[in-house]
Amino acid sequence: EADIYQTPRYLVIGTGKKITLECSQTMGHDKMYWYQQDPGMELHLIHYSYGVNSTEKGDLSSESTVSRIRTEHFPLTLESARPSHTSQYLCASSELGSGANVLTFGAGSRLTVL
Amino acid sequence: DQQVKQNSPSLSVQEGRISILNCDYTNSMFDYFLWYKKYPAEGPTFLISISSIKDKNEDGRFTVFLNKSAKHLSLHIVPSQPGDSAVYFCAASEDNNNDMRFGAGTRLTVKP
Repeated sequence: EADIYQTPRYLVIGTGKKITLECSQTMGHDKMYWYQQDPGMELHLIHYSYGVNSTEKGDLSSESTVSRIRTEHFPLTLESARPSHTSQYLCASSELGSGANVLTFGAGSRLTVL
Repeated sequence: DQQVKQNSPSLSVQEGRISILNCDYTNSMFDYFLWYKKYPAEGPTFLISISSIKDKNEDGRFTVFLNKSAKHLSLHIVPSQPGDSAVYFCAASEDNNNDMRFGAGTRLTVKP
């Protein structure tokens, strides 16, 4: 079944630790995205990719970094986690092309930094 | 700069009645408008979209209306069912632009 997977679903970690949030999709989508969402707030785009070896920053400044070595895989890394990074991180993907850009989202990774 | 606004954080309706969720936007360059539904502990899922060249799009119990002059769109759910209880996000984007703007969401509760 074509889908998009995020791990871990929940992570509680101490300040200063390095973390990587994994995202994989089996739909063959070229575009992939990372959104950050705080409770009751809008989703903010922090990173996106058009395809392999393509990564761009979104409208919300983030200290995280991403990589796109394989089409299906788009991990997000925080080198040194801080309490301000506590949030929910949503990975999404979509097809290339014009028209309404319908995103398929993963279930999210909820990060808590103590 | 919040370009998409959902001013009602919550809405409660009775089963069988109509649910109307509202969304306002400020960017007249938006070409597409989408609604996503989100259940707890899940990611948002696409519900329905509308192009800026249309003023109405219908899919079963869900209808989206677009009023470009007022920069306003709404999602109508008729009849509402308890399974519709979720957070609904309005989103908008320009054609071929990755920067999809989301509203803060409206939590809909449909009471049996």
